Amino acid sequence: QKEVEQDPGPLSVPEGAIVSLNCTYSNSAFQYFMWYRQYSRKGPELLMYTYSSGNKEDGRFTAQVDKSSKYISLFIRDSQPSDSATYLCAMKAAGNKLTFGGGTRVLVKP
Amino acid sequence: DTEVTQTPKHLVMGMTNKKSLKCEQHMGHRAMYWYKQKAKKPPELMFVYSYEKLSINESVPSRFSPECPNSSLLNLHLHALQPEDSALYLCASSQDLQSFTSGNTIYFGEGSWLTVV
Repeated sequence: QKEVEQDPGPLSVPEGAIVSLNCTYSNSAFQYFMWYRQYSRKGPELLMYTYSSGNKEDGRFTAQVDKSSKYISLFIRDSQPSDSATYLCAMKAAGNKLTFGGGTRVLVKP
Repeated sequence: DTEVTQTPKHLVMGMTNKKSLKCEQHMGHRAMYWYKQKAKKPPELMFVYSYEKLSINESVPSRFSPECPNSSLLNLHLHALQPEDSALYLCASSQDLQSFTSGNTIYFGEGSWLTVV
């Protein structure tokens, strides 16, 4: 069983819809949680970084962490075609070694 | 825009060639990383440097040889690679290796696409 599970998709939504992404994890030592966006043939771009359980909002993006359920989510409001990309969740415990989910491919259709 | 710069963006090399990938950051970060990413897979950690010293080697074959000449530069020397080594090679950096400072996130470069023929 992988330490971090993420549905590979693809997730197809119409423009303007809310995109809902999530990851589950098994390692209780994970304390820091990130979401990266990766366009085709580009490097991952950091979107959100959270530490504690709860919600964090940044513009159209909301990240949620539920440590008791070992579950994290990313919501994208008012989705745009430019949001079409692969979204990677990542998390880390002590040190700065990231463990990634497999990535979810998102397609926002005009 | 990413502040981690990687060159070259694309590289094609034969199995007997010697080449190098280069990475540079000017954010004052003291930890630098090499990741390898195959198509439709997440990045896999290869090496970590902390304060210019190799901190982690994830059992990477010796045909990959990292080098950190100074705190801003990171190289990956390639020799006698195999076709299965073709991938996107990502450089990344962070403040350091401690997770306890807020914002000690890892920033990636755009990557170098390597094709071994």
